[in-house]
Amino acid sequence: DAGITQSPRHKVTETGTPVTLRCHQTENHRYMYWYRQDPGHGLRLIHYSYGVKDTDKGEVSDGYSVSRSKTEDFLLTLESATSSQTSVYFCAIDETGVGEQYFGPGTRLTVT
Amino acid sequence: EDKVVQSPLSLVVHEGDTVTLNCSYEVTNFRSLLWYKQEKKAPTFLFMLTSSGIEKKSGRLSSILDKKELFSILNITATQTGDSAVYLCATNSGNTPLVFGKGTRLSVIA
Repeated sequence: DAGITQSPRHKVTETGTPVTLRCHQTENHRYMYWYRQDPGHGLRLIHYSYGVKDTDKGEVSDGYSVSRSKTEDFLLTLESATSSQTSVYFCAIDETGVGEQYFGPGTRLTVT
Repeated sequence: EDKVVQSPLSLVVHEGDTVTLNCSYEVTNFRSLLWYKQEKKAPTFLFMLTSSGIEKKSGRLSSILDKKELFSILNITATQTGDSAVYLCATNSGNTPLVFGKGTRLSVIA
């Protein structure tokens, strides 16, 4: 398995609170991605990174921000969590940006 | 806007059956199509296809890409209960990240 970890694995938080999810890789891959997965919608891209400090928006970026200060870490922040952000969040990595992506174990976030 | 459509959305078969899952796409500057299997956890990579008509095979799973007709199929022969999962199709267009379909949920019953 690719060396990708996510933390926390589960989190329950209240509406309006800030939340940060962490993705850590040991593969030294350049590309990192954050997805959310919801029933009926499949996997949707939130943000991605193509290098340290280089990030771009995905399909569903509103309400989310990201940062990548080191190759191995990609952080996803919900500035003020809403119930619509209750979801399972997956991080993925990719060596070239055009190859297969490998996924982390996921974080289940519940916003009450 | 790139689009990936999978069919059927769900499927129930008996052990030993052969199943065919479909993935059609509309992608600008297509580069590759990927298949993933997702059980109750993260998606795991199965195949990547870049050339038309070439079959990728791994055990009982195989996949073919038709770049002219813009679709791919994933075949599973002699299905087992362990094949029960959601199968995801995704396309890569080079300068943009993967675009995923909504998946096909396969249930294999004994």
